[in-house]
Amino acid sequence: GENVEQHPSTLSVQEGDSAVIKCTYSDSASNYFPWYKQELGKGPQLIIDIRSNVGEKKDQRIAVTLNKTAKHFSLHITETQPEDSAVYFCAPNSGGGADGLTFGKGTHLIIQP
Amino acid sequence: GAVVSQHPSRVICKSGTSVKIECRSLDFQATTMFWYRQFPKKSLMLMATSNEGSKATYEQGVEKDKFLINHASLTLSTLTVTSAHPEDSSFYICSAPLTGGSWEQYFGPGTRLTVT
Repeated sequence: GENVEQHPSTLSVQEGDSAVIKCTYSDSASNYFPWYKQELGKGPQLIIDIRSNVGEKKDQRIAVTLNKTAKHFSLHITETQPEDSAVYFCAPNSGGGADGLTFGKGTHLIIQP
Repeated sequence: GAVVSQHPSRVICKSGTSVKIECRSLDFQATTMFWYRQFPKKSLMLMATSNEGSKATYEQGVEKDKFLINHASLTLSTLTVTSAHPEDSSFYICSAPLTGGSWEQYFGPGTRLTVT
């Protein structure tokens, strides 16, 4: 099965600065790489995803980069805002929606005013 | 985007009783749904896969007789925690994938179960 490592476990940045969270995985069959944001007491929400045929994807202040050779992908948040404070999870998988997800342990992002 | 709901959002029950949690896909059909459990400050752990019209498949270490899953229709899966104990207190979350080429999975808002 998939072995997922996520770093750092906690990340504190000043408002307006950038944040980067890294996820490494073990299964070379993985070809879908989503990032989820979870606010306290709520379910996870997909914020960005990438498939293995693409190296980078950007959506306004959020981007994901993929290095399939090294088996890692990263979440980049620029110009951080207080509402970015949350726990972020990666969940690499083989795609198609047929399988349940194996999540990383999560990164608690704290935006300091 | 697709919407998944859960009911109830919070439930408190006494030890030894059973609790049913519903997961509904509101605007799409889901032949498969997934159930996760999340302890405080921890990640989500997959418990089982709910299959419409057939038996659920459980992850290793999850007791199928304790966590009963029924996927009676293309929009509803239920998780029943039987003979609940305090150690079953947790945040239970369901998800459903879209079909037809999309690989996204949509998560419900979660159900906070407290067993006293």
